[in-house]
Amino acid sequence: AQKITQTQPGMFVQEKEAVTLDCTYDTSDPSYGLFWYKQPSSGEMIFLIYQGSYDQQNATEGRYSLNFQKARKSANLVISASQLGDSAMYFCAQSAGFKTIFGAGTRLFVKA
Amino acid sequence: DVKVTQSSRYLVKRTGEKVFLECVQDMDHENMFWYRQDPGLGLRLIYFSYDVKMKEKGDIPEGYSVSREKKERFSLILESASTNQTSMYLCASSLSGPYYEQYFGPGTRLTVT
Repeated sequence: AQKITQTQPGMFVQEKEAVTLDCTYDTSDPSYGLFWYKQPSSGEMIFLIYQGSYDQQNATEGRYSLNFQKARKSANLVISASQLGDSAMYFCAQSAGFKTIFGAGTRLFVKA
Repeated sequence: DVKVTQSSRYLVKRTGEKVFLECVQDMDHENMFWYRQDPGLGLRLIYFSYDVKMKEKGDIPEGYSVSREKKERFSLILESASTNQTSMYLCASSLSGPYYEQYFGPGTRLTVT
């Protein structure tokens, strides 16, 4: 069965520094997608970045990059140059077939 | 601009009431999803639909049913609301396939008293 683990319930980072949010997954499907979503205090889930299981390169989207280590089944999100507006909940998700499984989330606090 | 809308942001219902949560998307997406979100548990899939009139159970379907009569609309029904169904309910839609991101609505915070 699919499983997503985010081991950091909460994290602090200084403004303008980089931060890594951890995510490990467990699936026996050879073809799958990995996603990160951001949920600000307003509540709406916002898609950040996607990585396909067959992609050779790590995905990047602006200040977001996904550190994909397939053998270790990890898909960590790296946020560079943190901003105060990055304070939010972050969810890692993995999809295979029709279903997507979400992790429990990491709450990120950016300090001024 | 893509959009998923949900009928209510906040809802208060009494135990035993029948509750309807509506979701509409304007992106012509094949897939639609209902999740509930509880602190420390992330998002858990209740039901999803990959086509009109088609539905599949997610991980926690007990106590819920769904309806998709039109492509753009996906309804979640609580046949007889109970206090343990107090939660945040999120609707989402996506293109077909595991490689597409989901677009979420603003959520409905349901309180059952």
